[in-house]
Amino acid sequence: DGGITQSPKYLFRKEGQNVTLSCEQNLNHDAMYWYRQDPGQGLRLIYYSQIVNDFQKGDIAEGYSVSREKKESFPLTVTSAQKNPTAFYLCASRPLMGQGRVGYTFGSGTRLTVV
Amino acid sequence: AQKITQTQPGMFVQEKEAVTLDCTYDTSDQSYGLFWYKQPSSGEMIFLIYQGSYDEQNATEGRYSLNFQKARKSANLVISASQLGDSAMYFCAMREGPNGGFKTIFGAGTRLFVKA
Repeated sequence: DGGITQSPKYLFRKEGQNVTLSCEQNLNHDAMYWYRQDPGQGLRLIYYSQIVNDFQKGDIAEGYSVSREKKESFPLTVTSAQKNPTAFYLCASRPLMGQGRVGYTFGSGTRLTVV
Repeated sequence: AQKITQTQPGMFVQEKEAVTLDCTYDTSDQSYGLFWYKQPSSGEMIFLIYQGSYDEQNATEGRYSLNFQKARKSANLVISASQLGDSAMYFCAMREGPNGGFKTIFGAGTRLFVKA
């Protein structure tokens, strides 16, 4: 079955450490997105990419970095510059051409905790 | 700036009854799309229903319907015949057209509790 796979499901980060969250999709979707969700809040956009080797900052990009070397993959690195990284991270994708009415397909999320 | 407002942090509904979850939005763009997503306790977001700004009819998908009032900038979700499995967080979202960079923003969500 097609879908989005996020790994790991749980991740613990020490102070000053960089960590990378994986997001892989086999839906042949063009666009991929990273959102952050804090308790009791909605989703905030971190980064997004509509084509390979290109990506744009979202509303809260500081302290994060991404790459899009393959259509299927959009990993997110949480750097030591992100001062409050504890949150639930969701990866999403969607097709672009002629699919404006289609919502995102989401992964099952990664819960990141600073220890 | 675009904005989504969900004023109901929590809602209770009796099983088999209908419930309306409120959503208002703010945008200066003429072309936009409105979405509702469901987030069960597992955390994964599930796309429920879509309404385009130029759609003349209210969207429906099974037990979900969208009460779209463009002049009031509201896009309320109606769930008919509630089931225990409908207990979850529900998020309203908006995607603007080219001027908004096709980004999607989300409201803070409404937690729905379905009582047996």
